[in-house]
Amino acid sequence: IQMTQSPSSLSASIGDRVTITCRASQNVNKYLNWYQQKPGRAPKLLIYAASTLQSGVSSRFSGSGSGTEFTLIISNLQSEDFATYYCQQTYNTWTFGLGTKVEVK
Amino acid sequence: QVRLEQSGPEVMKPGASMRVSCKASGYTFTDYHIYWVRQTPGQGLEWMGRINPTSGGTNSAQKFDGRVTMTGDAAISTAYLELNSLKSDDTAVYYCARDFLRIGVPGITWFDLWGQGTLVTVAS
Repeated sequence: IQMTQSPSSLSASIGDRVTITCRASQNVNKYLNWYQQKPGRAPKLLIYAASTLQSGVSSRFSGSGSGTEFTLIISNLQSEDFATYYCQQTYNTWTFGLGTKVEVK
Repeated sequence: QVRLEQSGPEVMKPGASMRVSCKASGYTFTDYHIYWVRQTPGQGLEWMGRINPTSGGTNSAQKFDGRVTMTGDAAISTAYLELNSLKSDDTAVYYCARDFLRIGVPGITWFDLWGQGTLVTVAS
């Protein structure tokens, strides 16, 4: 299963609302997770099962979708949110999207 | 404290074999699958395979078939990734990660615990 994220990068300002899309090449139901990665660090789980916020993760992050179309929204973007975001499907093996880098405008 | 601790960076020659270790602590090693994921410079995350530390059973991505070996030593709660016939484009950070679900439990899963990553550089 191929995972396609868009955009591959975006520029945003503090306080912005950011939307990242992930599309699966076939139905993955809700077997879709989102990770945040900062340079030199391992990925950190943000959202699992498409829409459930991982414990300890800011409520600025939200996820939605099912089947083949998924969205990660970051509301009220903060400085610590500048990072790269990856979607991952675990419906059939465990593949990741190529990532979306959120940069400072 | 629940954690995965990986071995240190390596510099390898083309054609050689690498081995990365991943030591689990704070939980029962044999209860959860361990996955291996790599990240090449400037690129995204690539799933390589997984091991069931209880049975030793493995699944690997087709891309790495024949080149990758994953093993585990339950006595010391450590998983190993071996990759042979190294090429320059195997230069990457290699991560181990733990499955959220216990082995045998069905359902939606994710990687809830990651090692710190091991940089392997392949250069002549």
